[in-house]
Amino acid sequence: DIQMTQSPSSLSASVGDRVTITCRASHGIRNDLGWYQQKPGKAPKRLIYAASSLQSGVPSRFSGSGSGTEFTLTISSLQPEDFATYYCLQHNSYPLTFGQGTKVEIK
Amino acid sequence: QLQLQESGPGLVRPSETLSLTCTVSGGSISSSSYYWGWIRQPPGEGLEWIGNIYYSGSTYYKSSLKSRVTMSVDTSKNQFSLKLTSVTAADTAVYYCARIPRMVPIDYWGQGTLVTVSS
Repeated sequence: DIQMTQSPSSLSASVGDRVTITCRASHGIRNDLGWYQQKPGKAPKRLIYAASSLQSGVPSRFSGSGSGTEFTLTISSLQPEDFATYYCLQHNSYPLTFGQGTKVEIK
Repeated sequence: QLQLQESGPGLVRPSETLSLTCTVSGGSISSSSYYWGWIRQPPGEGLEWIGNIYYSGSTYYKSSLKSRVTMSVDTSKNQFSLKLTSVTAADTAVYYCARIPRMVPIDYWGQGTLVTVSS
């Protein structure tokens, strides 16, 4: 199984801050990775697919990068509506595996 | 706009079988471009993929759950289903159904349904 190690598990940031979240895969997964945002009581929402492609309708302050085993999600200027939990998901091979999540909280 | 909706009991007794159905609207479950899957999330915890099914009936299950999981698809009703046997409190979670394109990660999710295992 491919393990996805996501860090940090939580962070506190202020509106306007630049935020970076990292996922490391235990084996190379090419660019078979997505990033999701989840707000309390809601289903996850896809932000990024193919590691760096922005989902239609998602603000351009979100970006993804990486390939192989190292991936990052960056929020260039944190907005109030971005406070949520973020997950990475690899779909290179079964079983599909998620990172443990990063909770982004208000400082 | 594609929509997925989970349905089933919200309370299941220990050792019994959890049964959920996902109804797909706004698109065909018989499309060759997609798998259909189940993901769960215990309260306050992260996301866990349970398995996928293709419209033909072929399946992929998480190995640790494989002995207890069965997925099926009913193309005539545009639905797919999950059965999880011999449940325990550890199976208490919000269960999501989802669409999984063949070459990119999950793109559509149901709203989720909380299933509690308790006597």
